[in-house]
Amino acid sequence: DSGVTQTPKHLITATGQRVTLRCSPRSGDLSVYWYQQSLDQGLQFLIHYYNGEERAKGNILERFSAQQFPDLHSELNLSSLELGDSALYFCASSERGYGYTFGSGTRLTVV
Amino acid sequence: DQQVKQNSPSLSVQEGRISILNCDYTNSMFDYFLWYKKYPAEGPTFLISISSIKDKNEDGRFTVFLNKSAKHLSLHIVPSQPGDSAVYFCAASDAGNMLTFGGGTRLMVKP
Repeated sequence: DSGVTQTPKHLITATGQRVTLRCSPRSGDLSVYWYQQSLDQGLQFLIHYYNGEERAKGNILERFSAQQFPDLHSELNLSSLELGDSALYFCASSERGYGYTFGSGTRLTVV
Repeated sequence: DQQVKQNSPSLSVQEGRISILNCDYTNSMFDYFLWYKKYPAEGPTFLISISSIKDKNEDGRFTVFLNKSAKHLSLHIVPSQPGDSAVYFCAASDAGNMLTFGGGTRLMVKP
């Protein structure tokens, strides 16, 4: 157990739907990062939150949004889902940038 | 602009031999480098790191070498074992800021 908890582990949904992925960071970590991995490709950075504030955006679609709550957990919202959004979504947490701890991911399948 | 590149998408090695995974970077401000290992359907896990003030760091079978003048780092695994078969990501950080990941190299260790 890495200390970073992601739920759900698996999600199957239809095109056009909306889903929410949840991440609880490791205790004490203020930063949460979201990544997308499609078809065993590289890790595509989506967004970074630090202590509730958005710090950086990567290749995140406008249909996707995220937030970090006062208890530091984070949610990634994916809407108007398309087949191409099927992927593994990872969150990672860190105290600073010196090393991330990743969760085990949420596998999203859009049918 | 890819600041961290892993030019070999895959590598196949015989069990017991040395595996050498390479990574190049372009940003001279990077001062901390890490390697992560990822099994299918799992989150990446931290493997080994090196600060820019060193040129070598060793942990058991794993050694990371850093050549700052060439902006190149490599991960050596000796001896390679079938359980080492995974995707390896190198990552770099600038003064504790966000990690920038390479695209990954899939290592296959044949028995």
